[in-house]
Amino acid sequence: DGGITQSPKYLFRKEGQNVTLSCEQNLNHDAMYWYRQDPGQGLRLIYYSQIVNDFQKGDIAEGYSVSREKKESFPLTVTSAQKNPTAFYLCASRTGGSTGELFFGEGSRLTVL
Amino acid sequence: GQQVMQIPQYQHVQEGEDFTTYCNSSTTLSNIQWYKQRPGGHPVFLIQLVKSGEVKKQKRLTFQFGEAKKNSSLHITATQTTDVGTYFCAGTSGGSYIPTFGRGTSLIVHP
Repeated sequence: DGGITQSPKYLFRKEGQNVTLSCEQNLNHDAMYWYRQDPGQGLRLIYYSQIVNDFQKGDIAEGYSVSREKKESFPLTVTSAQKNPTAFYLCASRTGGSTGELFFGEGSRLTVL
Repeated sequence: GQQVMQIPQYQHVQEGEDFTTYCNSSTTLSNIQWYKQRPGGHPVFLIQLVKSGEVKKQKRLTFQFGEAKKNSSLHITATQTTDVGTYFCAGTSGGSYIPTFGRGTSLIVHP
């Protein structure tokens, strides 16, 4: 079955620790996105990548980093510089160069203690 | 930058009542998409509207795109408990490939 897999689903970390969230897709999509969701805030774009080895900052990139070394993979690192990292993180993908449907993973819920 | 406002933030209805959520954009959109997120789940694509004045239906759901392509609505007729969730609009404007999401409307259906 084609789709997007995010892991882990739940993650607890102490303040000051970097954490990396995994996002893998087998849909052969060029474009991949990371969103952050907080209650009542909708989905806010962190980073996006339209093609392998290229990525761009979204609206709230500070304190986050990404890489896109493979088409299938777009991991997100939440660094210790992110002031309020507790949130629900969603990865999405779609056909490159299109404005069509976004396919979302099931999300990763990060709690920083 | 582009802003997409969505209202209301929450809506409580009795099962069988109708429900509408509205999106307004600060700029003219090239298209608008609607997504549904069930409690504890992830957003799932419902539909995309592209043409000015476009109306599309999916069973009890009716989607409209305004004539000026700056607003859109989702109307659900005779809500059911399975309609519970948060409905998001996402608009794309200009030559961008990046959609801007509204804050969502959470629908609560009381049996």
